[in-house]
Amino acid sequence: GESVGLHLPTLSVQEGDNSIINCAYSNSASDYFIWYKQESGKGPQFIIDIRSNMDKRQGQRVTVLLNKTVKHLSLQIAATQPGDSAVYFCAETLRDSSYKLIFGSGTRLLVRP
Amino acid sequence: SAVISQKPSRDICQRGTSLTIQCQVDSQVTMMFWYRQQPGQSLTLIATANQGSEATYESGFVIDKFPISRPNLTFSTLTVSNLSPEDSSIYLCSVGGERVGNEQFFGPGTRLTVL
Repeated sequence: GESVGLHLPTLSVQEGDNSIINCAYSNSASDYFIWYKQESGKGPQFIIDIRSNMDKRQGQRVTVLLNKTVKHLSLQIAATQPGDSAVYFCAETLRDSSYKLIFGSGTRLLVRP
Repeated sequence: SAVISQKPSRDICQRGTSLTIQCQVDSQVTMMFWYRQQPGQSLTLIATANQGSEATYESGFVIDKFPISRPNLTFSTLTVSNLSPEDSSIYLCSVGGERVGNEQFFGPGTRLTVL
């Protein structure tokens, strides 16, 4: 299948450990942020989002943290599983800008069995 | 949510030719977008496909190279014209807006290789 993320930074974690993926965003006016997961040969899949009026949001096994002061976003994955292996992208947007997304550079997550 | 299909899933084309990629959504959507993902890189927005009017292109992308159609609320096409090897990428369609809960969903992508 298609290989995504050949040249992206890679995070290697042991199965069962927690993973933290970081992202620096560019526009201080952005008010909505999304994490996507992209598996080889597929389009990006929505994981979790957060609005700028929040600093933390939790989903199932995932948590997103937002630090607007330093324009930093992180995705925490608890008890990482082999199925979590993929490339992860953060994206930012202005909610009144017709939903146009600006994607970060991405991180490849490898889960060791 | 929305289910998005793209055709073709992949193609190999000769330099100087064109490829038209189709994007079909299973429900009416407000916003449709086209992205490019070059090998090993992130996604870059090419344009917003506007229903019934000309697409809105991002900086660095022009209509002559990437003509887009959007005849209705469920379908759009992207043509990549006068192909060169530098156009080898994955091209992705996405949809967003109130009709799909304000999230943005992506199609599976079309992998284009230009020889």
